[in-house]
Amino acid sequence: NAGVTQTPKFQVLKTGQSMTLQCAQDMNHEYMSWYRQDPGMGLRLIHYSVGAGITDQGEVPNGYNVSRSTTEDFPLRLLSAAPSQTSVYFCASSYSRDLTEAFFGQGTRLTVV
Amino acid sequence: GQQVMQIPQYQHVQEGEDFTTYCNSSTTLSNIQWYKQRPGGHPVFLIQLVKSGEVKKQKRLTFQFGEAKKNSSLHITATQTTDVGTYFCAGGVPGAGSYQLTFGKGTKLSVIP
Repeated sequence: NAGVTQTPKFQVLKTGQSMTLQCAQDMNHEYMSWYRQDPGMGLRLIHYSVGAGITDQGEVPNGYNVSRSTTEDFPLRLLSAAPSQTSVYFCASSYSRDLTEAFFGQGTRLTVV
Repeated sequence: GQQVMQIPQYQHVQEGEDFTTYCNSSTTLSNIQWYKQRPGGHPVFLIQLVKSGEVKKQKRLTFQFGEAKKNSSLHITATQTTDVGTYFCAGGVPGAGSYQLTFGKGTKLSVIP
């Protein structure tokens, strides 16, 4: 099983550019989420989805958009990148919103210059 | 704001010494999960505790969930260099209609050989 696949692994953007971080899972999980990880800040929830067609904001949603057209895919869009968005981004999926383990992707290391 | 507090932020131990990280919440949690992230890697699920006062062991790792379901700990006996990494707790925090898994900031463990 592939589990949770994130692409790309590394990305450098210029301020103001847009891009989409891809996330796909093959476990038929209903719940998917995006986190950013910064030194000393742990994992902070950006957006999450409890199923296809349903998304909601997490702790730090500003500057990011998501959509969930299928169960498998949950892309994260940066509309106009800013240096403050330099971070490592993790996508995760789980069978349900709580009481089940989260499976994380390998992460995307994003640098905005 | 951060609803799940984790201490210490860093811990340096000599190989063979014990290590403990603590997780605290001001609200009653539905469950607590623990994850390990190796340097440069992604978080990997270790265990979940659900019941008040629950204790689980995995070889040299002992996990506890407090009686009030507001705190938890992870204890590693006789650390090895393979234990190096950041350990995160994640608690099910009550939210709008459900529980949201909220991560602590993590404890980074360094093991001196």
